[in-house]
Amino acid sequence: DQQVKQNSPSLSVQEGRISILNCDYTNSMFDYFLWYKKYPAEGPTFLISISSIKDKNEDGRFTVFLNKSAKHLSLHIVPSQPGDSAVYFCAASVNYGGSQGNLIFGKGTKLSVKP
Amino acid sequence: EPEVTQTPSHQVTQMGQEVILRCVPISNHLYFYWYRQILGQKVEFLVSFYNNEISEKSEIFDDQFSVERPDGSNFTLKIRSTKLEDSAMYFCASSESHEQYFGPGTRLTVT
Repeated sequence: DQQVKQNSPSLSVQEGRISILNCDYTNSMFDYFLWYKKYPAEGPTFLISISSIKDKNEDGRFTVFLNKSAKHLSLHIVPSQPGDSAVYFCAASVNYGGSQGNLIFGKGTKLSVKP
Repeated sequence: EPEVTQTPSHQVTQMGQEVILRCVPISNHLYFYWYRQILGQKVEFLVSFYNNEISEKSEIFDDQFSVERPDGSNFTLKIRSTKLEDSAMYFCASSESHEQYFGPGTRLTVT
């Protein structure tokens, strides 16, 4: 049962252009969403997050958009750089009464930024 | 910048043997987690730990697994009798809020 889905296994973008990575979820109880970046043989690196009470969060070149009615979120990277080439994971959690819920991950999207 | 560390980076063991994977979470974090990623598959939650006890565990985390915080800095995952299907990358994570920070992982190979 895939509660978090990343339907594009790969994405190729030209340097300087926008990268848009998409994620869909099925569990309406999710209240926090995160994006992680992962290089081979390394652990996931936290990039940006968004609470379910917001629809946008921005940090430098990275912006996450949340559409709760569509159960969809996206990560925009602009401008894309070759160093952004990695696997990007969408993750979501349900947090009960202040406790920190575990993360449910998507399968990831491999981003390649070409010079 | 503080980071989560894990040792060893690679562990090779024979089926049926016990392994202990070690993690040092970020020092002011209160929530600790173990995840694993089997080659080619998703990162999967195993267990979360708060206030010296397990707060949540997945169905993967059966009686063969245990976690411990033996002192003020280390957080360990023990697999009592390893199986071939336990071969995976094991990631430790810690958090003080919603954002979880991951270590570099331990690659466990069971032969």
